[in-house]
Amino acid sequence: QVQLQESGPGLVKPSQTLSLTCSVSGDSLSRHIYYWSWIRQPAGKGLEWIGHISGSGGTNYNPSLKSRVTMSVDTSKNQFSLKLSSVTAADTAVYYCASELSVGVIVIFDYWGQGTLVTVSS
Amino acid sequence: DIQMTQSPSSLPASIGDSVTITCRTSQSISNFLNWYQQRPGKAPKVLIYAASNLQTGVPSRFSGSGSGTDFTLTISSLQLEDFATYYCQQSYSRPPWTFGQGTKVVIK
Repeated sequence: QVQLQESGPGLVKPSQTLSLTCSVSGDSLSRHIYYWSWIRQPAGKGLEWIGHISGSGGTNYNPSLKSRVTMSVDTSKNQFSLKLSSVTAADTAVYYCASELSVGVIVIFDYWGQGTLVTVSS
Repeated sequence: DIQMTQSPSSLPASIGDSVTITCRTSQSISNFLNWYQQRPGKAPKVLIYAASNLQTGVPSRFSGSGSGTDFTLTISSLQLEDFATYYCQQSYSRPPWTFGQGTKVVIK
């Protein structure tokens, strides 16, 4: 059973950088069938895929956020991370990390962290 | 990006009802569509993958169908624990993966 846990500051000032880490247990980040994703959800709204990273460090980002997003992976700690720069109030959301499983060519978010609320405010 | 449109946005129903949620995509995505359930304060949970395949452990009252641009999620004999928000998600071709805006099943 894979478990994911987000960690990081719950409050970030406008124009600063949001930094979150996802710790993975029960599986190795290096497994080739997985990508590791970040997804966010503003209060009362839907889900937005931010991007993903493979165990070897390959990334894809949502074009809507690409200029501000950086993801990294630390396989020695079995963790992956998100940095979102120049944040505004519009970035206030619950941020989830999730495992992205490929079943053939279908991509499923099969395991999720509990989510962490990040508020952007001065 | 592929746009996803779910309907309705809110669905009043009673325990025991059969309900259907629709997801329409802006272009054909074959069967590259999944359905998730999200209860308040919890992370989403996958119910259906590849349009019609039941995820392990999900009750058989959940079913999915469709291909191309039109998809449905049906819950037969609604149970109390099924009152939640449901999202469709596509994974056609290449990222970005996108979600529908959600359908909230509420008690009538």
